[in-house]
Amino acid sequence: GENVEQHPSTLSVQEGDSAVIKCTYSDSASNYFPWYKQELGKGPQLIIDIRSNVGEKKDQRIAVTLNKTAKHFSLHITETQPEDSAVYFCAARNTGNQFYFGTGTSLTVIP
Amino acid sequence: DAGVIQSPRHEVTEMGQEVTLRCKPISGHNSLFWYRQTMMRGLELLIYFNNNVPIDDSGMPEDRFSAKMPNASFSTLKIQPSEPRDSAVYFCASSRQGNTEAFFGQGTRLTVV
Repeated sequence: GENVEQHPSTLSVQEGDSAVIKCTYSDSASNYFPWYKQELGKGPQLIIDIRSNVGEKKDQRIAVTLNKTAKHFSLHITETQPEDSAVYFCAARNTGNQFYFGTGTSLTVIP
Repeated sequence: DAGVIQSPRHEVTEMGQEVTLRCKPISGHNSLFWYRQTMMRGLELLIYFNNNVPIDDSGMPEDRFSAKMPNASFSTLKIQPSEPRDSAVYFCASSRQGNTEAFFGQGTRLTVV
């Protein structure tokens, strides 16, 4: 099956700075890579995703990059705000349609 | 759309009791996933259904766990007998097949005492 690794497990940044979270995956056939944000007491919610035929995607302050050759993808949050504080998960969806998640990154934005 | 609906939101039960968690996926979604979330192990995929058929249950911890999907709008995850180490938040998610996102429910926080 797929193995998704995520780093770092915790990240603290000053408000206004950028945050970067990195993930690697093992199954070269995986073709869909979503990122989820989980706030306390809630289920994970999609914030951005990227498909294997795209190298980069941006949505306002959030961007994701994908390097298929190296099998890694990253989430970039610019101009961080306190409301960005949450746990972020990367995931990979393989050709068997299962989602495999990274272990999560707890992001704290310090005002 | 109301999203993925899970019930109950919280469940406290005694060791040895049977626990049933319920999930209603988003209408039109044909893939359903059950996940368990703990601090130690993160989000673990327990079982995955496609068109109501279990496709991969390799993540189910042991025979005490079972899951069913009798129709496209309902699934259950049952633990019998429950043990304290089963305490976790259990999430149900649904999606359309293919390169699309999974939508998560609010989760069921299970505490086995």
